[in-house]
Amino acid sequence: KNQVEQSPQSLIILEGKNCTLQCNYTVSPFSNLRWYKQDTGRGPVSLTIMTFSENTKSNGRYTATLDADTKQSSLHITASQLSDSASYICVVSALGSARQLTFGSGTQLTVLP
Amino acid sequence: AAGVIQSPRHLIKEKRETATLKCYPIPRHDTVYWYQQGPGQDPQFLISFYEKMQSDKGSIPDRFSAQQFSDYHSELNMSSLELGDSALYFCASSPGRAETQYFGPGTRLLVL
Repeated sequence: KNQVEQSPQSLIILEGKNCTLQCNYTVSPFSNLRWYKQDTGRGPVSLTIMTFSENTKSNGRYTATLDADTKQSSLHITASQLSDSASYICVVSALGSARQLTFGSGTQLTVLP
Repeated sequence: AAGVIQSPRHLIKEKRETATLKCYPIPRHDTVYWYQQGPGQDPQFLISFYEKMQSDKGSIPDRFSAQQFSDYHSELNMSSLELGDSALYFCASSPGRAETQYFGPGTRLLVL
């Protein structure tokens, strides 16, 4: 069964600090991995998308890494801001149709002043 | 930049009523996906359309139906609503089936 596990479930950090979120997956055959940011009650917003051959991808203060051998990904947020408070969801796509998207349960990040 | 538009944003219905949710994809996006997200749960894929044809089907109940129109907007029709249908319904669009999905703000449905 395809699964995506994220850790930690929740994280509280002070503004300006860095943090790293983890994602482990067992989706096969792997197509790509995406990190989404979801504010409460809002639609997920895509941060990065990585394919099998990509190890690192950055989007501003967000840097995602992918290790396809160990099936692990991380999302590093630098110099956190209050607006970074949200749920960060790891979504893995298997080769084939859109039905093959597997969502992680997300990491709830809270940035305090 | 234009985003995915969903209407209405909020909807309150009673049991056994019907509801229609609308989704307007980003211009030039030909693929639309519908997701249901219950409180504290992961989004669950319901159904998708590509070029106005049903592309894939997920956990969509038989009481629900959907279609994509000639202008690429999509509607999710929900009948015989149940309390358990209360959820956030997201629509996403992409320029092709394998591309990144861009999510709309969602429609929050409350069934009383």
